[in-house]
Amino acid sequence: DVKVTQSSRYLVKRTGEKVFLECVQDMDHENMFWYRQDPGLGLRLIYFSYDVKMKEKGDIPEGYSVSREKKERFSLILESASTNQTSMYLCASRDPGGYTFGSGTRLTVV
Amino acid sequence: EDQVTQSPEALRLQEGESSSLNCSYTVSGLRGLFWYRQDPGKGPEFLFTLYSAGEEKEKERLKATLTKKESFLHITAPKPEDSATYLCAVQAPSGGSNYKLTFGKGTLLTVNP
Repeated sequence: DVKVTQSSRYLVKRTGEKVFLECVQDMDHENMFWYRQDPGLGLRLIYFSYDVKMKEKGDIPEGYSVSREKKERFSLILESASTNQTSMYLCASRDPGGYTFGSGTRLTVV
Repeated sequence: EDQVTQSPEALRLQEGESSSLNCSYTVSGLRGLFWYRQDPGKGPEFLFTLYSAGEEKEKERLKATLTKKESFLHITAPKPEDSATYLCAVQAPSGGSNYKLTFGKGTLLTVNP
């Protein structure tokens, strides 16, 4: 089975901090995605990557950047964390059968 | 812009009471429609992929169907362990990738014993 691992389940950061969320998949997949999930808003796409060093903005990229230096790792970066970025962050990887999600990182910005 | 609308937002059933969840969509170049189950505090868990109108897939008490405008997730004789949020998503081309997923807001299903 495909495994998508997010480095932290829970994070608490201060306003203005630079935050790194890491996601690793173990199946050499080309397509990887970062979503955030908020009550009443559902899952919204932040960024996706379709190959190493290739990235595209999703629907809500403001305040975020990403890095994909190796195929298995896709990092989401909050350049200067703000309280409105408190959310559940979900990483996904695309395989021939569909999309596999990680367990999520619940980020709280105080 | 791709749009996915799920209804109802919440559904409460008695154990054994069958029902259906709806997912209507507007998308250019549908590559697939996905159903996921999500338990509180966890990532979405894959259930089904449907690719063309008329297609149906089944798994235990769940059956997913697809038309050109909507999909249904039928739940037959549900049990309390079927309680979860059910998410629908459509896959369509965007930029350099054919694999962008757009999600609906989900249906929260509660099955009472």
